[in-house]
Amino acid sequence: GAVVSQHPSRVICKSGTSVKIECRSLDFQATTMFWYRQFPKQSLMLMATSNEGSKATYEQGVEKDKFLINHASLTLSTLTVTSAHPEDSSFYICSASGGLQNIQYFGAGTRLSVL
Amino acid sequence: AQSVTQPDIHITVSEGASLELRCNYSYGATPYLFWYVQSPGQGLQLLLKYFSGDTLVQGIKGFEAEFKRSQSSFNLRKPSVHWSDAAEYFCAVEGSQGNLIFGKGTKLSVKP
Repeated sequence: GAVVSQHPSRVICKSGTSVKIECRSLDFQATTMFWYRQFPKQSLMLMATSNEGSKATYEQGVEKDKFLINHASLTLSTLTVTSAHPEDSSFYICSASGGLQNIQYFGAGTRLSVL
Repeated sequence: AQSVTQPDIHITVSEGASLELRCNYSYGATPYLFWYVQSPGQGLQLLLKYFSGDTLVQGIKGFEAEFKRSQSSFNLRKPSVHWSDAAEYFCAVEGSQGNLIFGKGTKLSVKP
């Protein structure tokens, strides 16, 4: 299947700093990328939908100024958590879809810990 | 509203035993349904999907699932579980924006 690379896999940062997470589709062009957040022992919750070259669409309750999403090319989307706080600590997972069936392929996730 | 229910939070089966993980969905139109598996601290791997056609779909790692419209179900099955199948399993339905709406997941433990 298609490969989606997500980097970094783990990041620990101080409160108030910004963290950038990259999501790349390695062997296909992703027309749409999705960003999910997963709390411990919970399901994945969609944060935003990102289409190449246009502004991301955020789910209700997700602060777009805090979670900046850039989808600059058909193979790269980034999520920047600005001024991170401990409550932002979570597991962030991206997915990318493209091709005929628009199946979503997931990255390995990023574990963010904010001290 | 679209939703997915996985009634079993945690299931334990013996290695070699059969497995069935339940999934019910709520969706107005013909659903696109998926099963994903997640190992601890990892992303999600697609096991199988249903878009249309044959209601019994085969996936990777010996898994299969059956779409039953009358029961709004898409249960995942495997005839003989291996210890390496221990993981979290998520059922999902595709939403109107192309995103996935996930169930809360079922954690599978395998006894030796």
